[in-house]
Amino acid sequence: QKEVEQDPGPLSVPEGAIVSLNCTYSNSAFQYFMWYRQYSRKGPELLMYTYSSGNKEDGRFTAQVDKSSKYISLFIRDSQPSDSATYLCAMRQNSGYALNFGKGTSLLVTP
Amino acid sequence: DGGITQSPKYLFRKEGQNVTLSCEQNLNHDAMYWYRQDPGQGLRLIYYSQIVNDFQKGDIAEGYSVSREKKESFPLTVTSAQKNPTAFYLCASSDRGSTEAFFGQGTRLTVV
Repeated sequence: QKEVEQDPGPLSVPEGAIVSLNCTYSNSAFQYFMWYRQYSRKGPELLMYTYSSGNKEDGRFTAQVDKSSKYISLFIRDSQPSDSATYLCAMRQNSGYALNFGKGTSLLVTP
Repeated sequence: DGGITQSPKYLFRKEGQNVTLSCEQNLNHDAMYWYRQDPGQGLRLIYYSQIVNDFQKGDIAEGYSVSREKKESFPLTVTSAQKNPTAFYLCASSDRGSTEAFFGQGTRLTVV
């Protein structure tokens, strides 16, 4: 079983919709949880990160971590065509540097 | 501007040739990483380095080699032993103890 599972989609929604992106993981030692956005043929850019369980909000984006269920989510409110990209979840343990990535979910927001 | 520079953006090589991908950062970060991205596979860690003159294998190190002679540079060599080298290669760096990894814009390697 892969340590981080993420549905690759593609996910297509109309402009203005609320988008929910999710990842599950198997390693209970993961403490840091991140969401990256990657536009086509570009490097990923960090959107949000959360330490341990809880919620974090930044503008239209909300990240949630439920460590008891080993489940993390990214919500995008009032989605825009410019949000069309691949969203990658990533996580790591308290010690060490290397990130474990999900496969990424491709999102298309149509006008 | 601070950031990570990968070069070249596109690279074509004949099968059986070694090729070196460049990665330079001016963020004064201690740690640097190389990932490989294939369609539907996500990012897989090739090698990482936490300090100068030290590096560790990641999940898919076979057929690759790295060096870390300077803090700002972490070149990756794709050797002829790598069975399927055509992929998108991403370099990243992070500060010691930081959760945020900054990525370069990637090098797309095509072996023909």
